[in-house]
Amino acid sequence: IQLTQSPSSLSASVGDRVTITCRASQGISSYLAWYQQKPGKAPKLLIYAASTLQSGVPSRFSGSGSGTDFTLTISSLQPEDFATYYCQQLNSYPRLTFGGGTKVEIK
Amino acid sequence: QVQLVQSGAEVKKPGASVKVSCKVSGYTLTELSMHWVRQAPGKGLEWMGGFDPEDGETIYAQKFQGRVTMTEDTSTDTAYMELSSLRSEDTAVYYCATGVGATGLDYWGQGTLVTVSS
Repeated sequence: IQLTQSPSSLSASVGDRVTITCRASQGISSYLAWYQQKPGKAPKLLIYAASTLQSGVPSRFSGSGSGTDFTLTISSLQPEDFATYYCQQLNSYPRLTFGGGTKVEIK
Repeated sequence: QVQLVQSGAEVKKPGASVKVSCKVSGYTLTELSMHWVRQAPGKGLEWMGGFDPEDGETIYAQKFQGRVTMTEDTSTDTAYMELSSLRSEDTAVYYCATGVGATGLDYWGQGTLVTVSS
């Protein structure tokens, strides 16, 4: 199963609403997770099961979708949100796949 | 709370092998399904393999089949990832990671940089 993220990068300002999409090459139900990674750090799990917020993750993050099309939304971008975001499919668990990543930069 | 602590950076020559360790605390290794993910400089995340709790076997990404071996020492709660026949393209940060079934990887090691250079 391949995952295609778009865009590969974006520039946004603090306070902006940001949307990242992830498309699977075949249906994966809701077996999708989203991660945030900052430079030099390990990825951090934000959302699993397409829309369930991991404990401790701010509510400005949300996920939606099922089947082949998924979205990660940051409702009001904060300075600490500038990072790279990855989607991951778990439909074929334990065989996993990551999307190519979306880098969110400061405008 | 699960903590994963990995071994230190390695520099290897092409053709050599590297073995990275991942020490578990907070849980026992038998309670977890460990996965390994790598990230080449400036590139994305790449899943290498992981433990299948259904049949107790480790499965590997096709790309690494025949070159990677993931093992566990339950007496010390330490997982290992060994990659052989190293080439320059294997230069990357290697992470161990685990989570609760098909809900994502919510615990990660700090990463181990493996540099392959002649």
